[in-house]
Amino acid sequence: AQSVTQLDSHVSVSEGTPVLLRCNYSSSYSPSLFWYVQHPNKGLQLLLKYTSAATLVKGINGFEAEFKKSETSFHLTKPSAHMSDAAEYFCAVNTGGFKTIFGAGTRLFVKA
Amino acid sequence: GAVVSQHPSRVICKSGTSVKIECRSLDFQATTMFWYRQFPKQSLMLMATSNEGSKATYEQGVEKDKFLINHASLTLSTLTVTSAHPEDSSFYICSARQVTPGEQYFGPGTRLTVT
Repeated sequence: AQSVTQLDSHVSVSEGTPVLLRCNYSSSYSPSLFWYVQHPNKGLQLLLKYTSAATLVKGINGFEAEFKKSETSFHLTKPSAHMSDAAEYFCAVNTGGFKTIFGAGTRLFVKA
Repeated sequence: GAVVSQHPSRVICKSGTSVKIECRSLDFQATTMFWYRQFPKQSLMLMATSNEGSKATYEQGVEKDKFLINHASLTLSTLTVTSAHPEDSSFYICSARQVTPGEQYFGPGTRLTVT
């Protein structure tokens, strides 16, 4: 069975400081991992994905994530937060069975 | 990139009525579409997997007679909420899986409010 755990329900940072959103996964097979962002009352936007190529994945808007198999982690980072980054972020896993399973989400707050 | 649309974006209906939500893949064919439900401040929960030309596969706890899914073509899947109740009020999001190379794309969601 596959599952995703987002370790923080909410994260608060100051504008211009680094962002770290944590995600751990459980999967019996080699997973594909995703990070999505959702702004209020909007659909999902794909930030980045890992599909067994390079372990450091670069996405849109300056975000990146590193796949660490030994730690079963796929944490999302950004060097410098912007006010427009405030949103809900979802980590998701797919092990080729077509189903994508989502974590509970992390709300990112960015303070001026 | 591939685009998935949903219609309507918002709908308000009265208790006991039925409402249909459409999910379309605009520029690609999708043999598989997925329906998710998202309650306020919660994550997306997979409701069912819809395969073109066959019956949908529902997740445990999802009533198939209440949430009717039809995937009649490679670009259209519909979700009908029958005999809607206020507790069915939610954000419904569909996604479509491209035949090749197998990427999955999400629609913008439909906000359903049952009064």
